[in-house]
Amino acid sequence: DIVMTQTPLSSPVTLGQPASISCRSSQSLVYNDGNTYLSWLQQRPGQPPRLLIYKIYNRFSGVPDRFSGSGAGTDFTLKISRVEAEDVGIYYCMQTLQFPYTFGQGTKLEIK
Amino acid sequence: QVQLEESGPGLVKPSGTLSLTCAVSGGSISSSNWWNWVRQSPGKGLEWIGEIYHSGSTNYNPSLKSRVTISVDKSKNQFSLKLNSVTAADTAVYYCAQLGDNFLDVWGQGTTVTVS
Repeated sequence: DIVMTQTPLSSPVTLGQPASISCRSSQSLVYNDGNTYLSWLQQRPGQPPRLLIYKIYNRFSGVPDRFSGSGAGTDFTLKISRVEAEDVGIYYCMQTLQFPYTFGQGTKLEIK
Repeated sequence: QVQLEESGPGLVKPSGTLSLTCAVSGGSISSSNWWNWVRQSPGKGLEWIGEIYHSGSTNYNPSLKSRVTISVDKSKNQFSLKLNSVTAADTAVYYCAQLGDNFLDVWGQGTTVTVS
């Protein structure tokens, strides 16, 4: 299985300040077609996960542009340019390159 | 816009079979998407269970493969999950989700299943 490792596991952030979450995969997530099957999900308290970013840096429909994704190969980053109160929750990276699909452990974003 | 809704018993006895259904609305289950099940144990992260295409092709997580069956009912526009020989470790929130172009872009609200 591809192991997805996120850091940090907890991130206290001041409102209006940036936040960054890293995700490392145990093997490259680049497919033969040139795409990299890494996505980021947000799970607000009491809610189901919600897709934020797909294929490293593509924002999903309706996702604010303060969210951005970057990286390549095995190392990826989710950045929030200015954290808002509604961003509180747990963030997961996920790979869909290979079965079984796997998720990172989750990073809890909380407000200081 | 596709919407998904899980349904099924919230309580299952140990060694019994967990059975859940995911109703698809706002779109056809015969579209070019895979239909997935994901679970989240209390206080834990996300675990992929498996997926099905409208043709009936499936992919399962090897860790659960011996106990899992995912099926599709095109006439009802829904797909289902069966997990047998359940234990307390199978207590979780179960989500159905649509895999569009290799990412899980639509999720149901989830349904809690307790094994006790």
